[in-house]
Amino acid sequence: TQLLEQSPQFLSIQEGENLTVYCNSSSVFSSLQWYRQEPGEGPVLLVTVVTGGEVKKLKRLTFQFGDARKDSSLHITAAQPGDTGLYLCAGPRTGQGGKLIFGQGTELSVKP
Amino acid sequence: DSGVTQTPKHLITATGQRVTLRCSPRSGDLSVYWYQQSLDQGLQFLIQYYNGEERAKGNILERFSAQQFPDLHSELNLSSLELGDSALYFCASSVGVDNYGYTFGSGTRLTVV
Repeated sequence: TQLLEQSPQFLSIQEGENLTVYCNSSSVFSSLQWYRQEPGEGPVLLVTVVTGGEVKKLKRLTFQFGDARKDSSLHITAAQPGDTGLYLCAGPRTGQGGKLIFGQGTELSVKP
Repeated sequence: DSGVTQTPKHLITATGQRVTLRCSPRSGDLSVYWYQQSLDQGLQFLIQYYNGEERAKGNILERFSAQQFPDLHSELNLSSLELGDSALYFCASSVGVDNYGYTFGSGTRLTVV
């Protein structure tokens, strides 16, 4: 069974701090995606990583796909209150087309 | 506005009742996915349709059914509702049958009382 485990589950930090969220699996994924969800809204796609070892940057957010394509990380530099939300990693289930498996999420709170 | 429209936004209904949730995908997207999100289970895949055909199925209960119409909008029907069906139901869409990123709607919050 393909599973994605995220850590930590909860993170509360002060504005300006750096943080890293991890997404791990024992299975290989063809790609991994990161979403951010705010209360009462649907998840919004931040990035898709496809190649093992790939690093993508989105302003203060840096996403990395592990060399073996079994894990990914999201690093936020100088976090701001606007970064508060639920961060979800997701990957396609092997052989089932568009079906995505989601991690349980990391609830991030950035206090001013 | 993501381009994926879900209605209604909120729904409160009694146990044993039946409800229909509606989703219009983003223009040009042929795949529609339904997910259930609860606090203890996270986002759970229910079903995928591609251009009117069922493409993949998750752990969708027999009391639940869905379809995608010729105009590509989709409906999720939930019947014989139980308290445990209370959750957020999300629709998402993507261009093709495989997936390099969904666009989610803002969800329907279902409360069964």
